[in-house]
Amino acid sequence: GIQVEQSPPDLILQEGANSTLRCNFSDSVNNLQWFHQNPWGQLINLFYIPSGTKQNGRLSVTTVATERYSLLYISSSQTTDSGVYFCAVESKGGSEKLVFGKGTKLTVNP
Amino acid sequence: DSGVTQTPKHLITATGQRVTLRCSPRSGDLSVYWYQQSLDQGLQFLIQYYNGEERAKGNILERFSAQQFPDLHSELNLSSLELGDSALYFCASSRGAVATNEKLFFGSGTQLSVL
Repeated sequence: GIQVEQSPPDLILQEGANSTLRCNFSDSVNNLQWFHQNPWGQLINLFYIPSGTKQNGRLSVTTVATERYSLLYISSSQTTDSGVYFCAVESKGGSEKLVFGKGTKLTVNP
Repeated sequence: DSGVTQTPKHLITATGQRVTLRCSPRSGDLSVYWYQQSLDQGLQFLIQYYNGEERAKGNILERFSAQQFPDLHSELNLSSLELGDSALYFCASSRGAVATNEKLFFGSGTQLSVL
């Protein structure tokens, strides 16, 4: 099945810093989504982005489908950005399930 | 609030027992997905139902079963529980299936502890 690798596994920042989280995937995808799991365990859908670029406030994402990667940018980070960021993909092979990476754990210190 | 409701939030039980986890999807969503999150395996897809029918199956054990009812709520049944089944179980929903480019919305999860 499709493989999803996220880097870095852990990231520690000071409030106000910028960061880039990467997601590499091993096959062509129909569907790619980014999620944020907050410290209380809630999984929140950030973006649906199988290709192209989107922005939502301080967060933006770019997926280059032909090169099989996606980048999530967080600017002017805040302590509330802490948590785990997951990339999830569904391959064009039609598995009809989202496969999750292992996530990037982000800690933003005040 | 994602609109996906899961009950109970926490469940503590003993090995060998059987439990049922319940999920109500967002209004209008036809697909329900179950995921298991553990420290060693990460987020693993278990099973998907679409409008009452099983649509996709993942790494779901034979001791586990699920169904989606006519009102579209879903139940995940876990039987002959083992210590290793302790995990956070998520339900998610979408309008259609992910193959039709749908966004997935997760409930707050059920934390299962098997003692």
